[in-house]
Parts: sequence; structure tokens; C-alpha cells
Amino acid sequence: SQTIHQWPATLVQPVGSPLSLECTVEGTSNPNLYWYRQAAGRGLQLLFYSVGIGQISSEVPQNLSASRPQDRQFILSSKKLLLSDSGFYLCAWGETGGEQYFGPGTRLTVT
Amino acid sequence: DQQVKQNSPSLSVQEGRISILNCDYTNSMFDYFLWYKKYPAEGPTFLISISSIKDKNEDGRFTVFLNKSAKHLSLHIVPSQPGDSAVYFCAAYFDYKLSFGAGTTVTVRA
Repeated sequence: SQTIHQWPATLVQPVGSPLSLECTVEGTSNPNLYWYRQAAGRGLQLLFYSVGIGQISSEVPQNLSASRPQDRQFILSSKKLLLSDSGFYLCAWGETGGEQYFGPGTRLTVT
Repeated sequence: DQQVKQNSPSLSVQEGRISILNCDYTNSMFDYFLWYKKYPAEGPTFLISISSIKDKNEDGRFTVFLNKSAKHLSLHIVPSQPGDSAVYFCAAYFDYKLSFGAGTTVTVRA
């Protein structure tokens, strides 16, 4: 069966510091990978998705970036965090056609 | 622009009764629709889905209805149980991507 891992679970970072969140998937090959953010009391906003190694599509212009160095690894990064980057970050995987399956999430607080 | 809308931010229902959650969409290109359940500080879990070529899909206590002409779908939970208290998100799929509604918080009262 497939599993998806995200870490860290919680993170408190000062404004201007860098960010690296990692997501890995097990039990499947060539998955589509996604990064979402949920701000407090809001829905899920798609940030980036990838349909293959090295292929990244950005949905929202911002100071975040994503990379996919391996088939089942997806990384979300920032060089300098802003207060507005606080939120709950979710990684998901899916096969082309519909369902996506989410990781446990990372709570990021920028202070 | 918000292509998927859940206009009811909250719903309170008595245990054992039916919960009905509604969702509207604007993009006629969406070809697959899903409902997710989410507890605080956890990732959403997939509940049930429906293809655009169908009008109903049932899985245990959960039934999803799709009205393509009205661009409307609904989720029925019968009977509602205390463990159903959570946030429910409607989502629509097109071109690798899911668009999510803002969610409806369901509270099941004993």
C-alpha cells in the first residue's frame, strides 16, 4: 500500500529565515505530487504540482519554490520567509485522473 | 477566482439524522468530483468520488449526488455519527489539479 511522509510536523521560524519541507511517497511509481497550503479558516490552496522528475508547475506567484529531485520526493523551499507564509502545508500524491492522498501536514509559524 | 464553492460554512445535526452538504462549481471542464474529510492538524482523507458521467455514487453511509446541469453536487451522510464531526471539503478535478471549496464544518450533536 502507498504511504506519504511529511516532515517536520511543526516548525517555528523567524521572518527572513530559509525554509525546507520534505515529502516522500512509498509504494507507487511516478506519482503526481502536490503542495498545498491551508491558511487559518480557509480552504486548500494549490501551490505547486509535478507530473515527473524535474517538472514543476507553479499555481501561485510567491516567494516559495518547489523541487522534485527524485521520483517520490517533493521539496518545498523558501530563501526568506514572510509572516504571510504561516499556515498548514500539505503534500499530496495522486495518479492521473482524480483522487489525491494527503500527508499529515506541517504547521509552519513565522514569527 | 473561486471555481468551487461551499456556501455553508457550518452544519449542526443530531446524531442519527441525515447530514446534507452542498457544493457548487463554475467550470464545466471539471470531470471528476471528490469529497474529503479533515480533522484539525491532520491531512484531509478521501471519502467518496463521482465521475461526471454519473449522477450518484454510494459507499456505505455516504452518497454523493451530481447535477451537471445545475453544476451542483451534494454529500449525504446517513445516519450521522459523532465521529463524523469534522470539516468536509468538496473538490473538483481537471488537468491534473484539484480545486477545493472552503469547507463545511459539521458538528454532530448527541
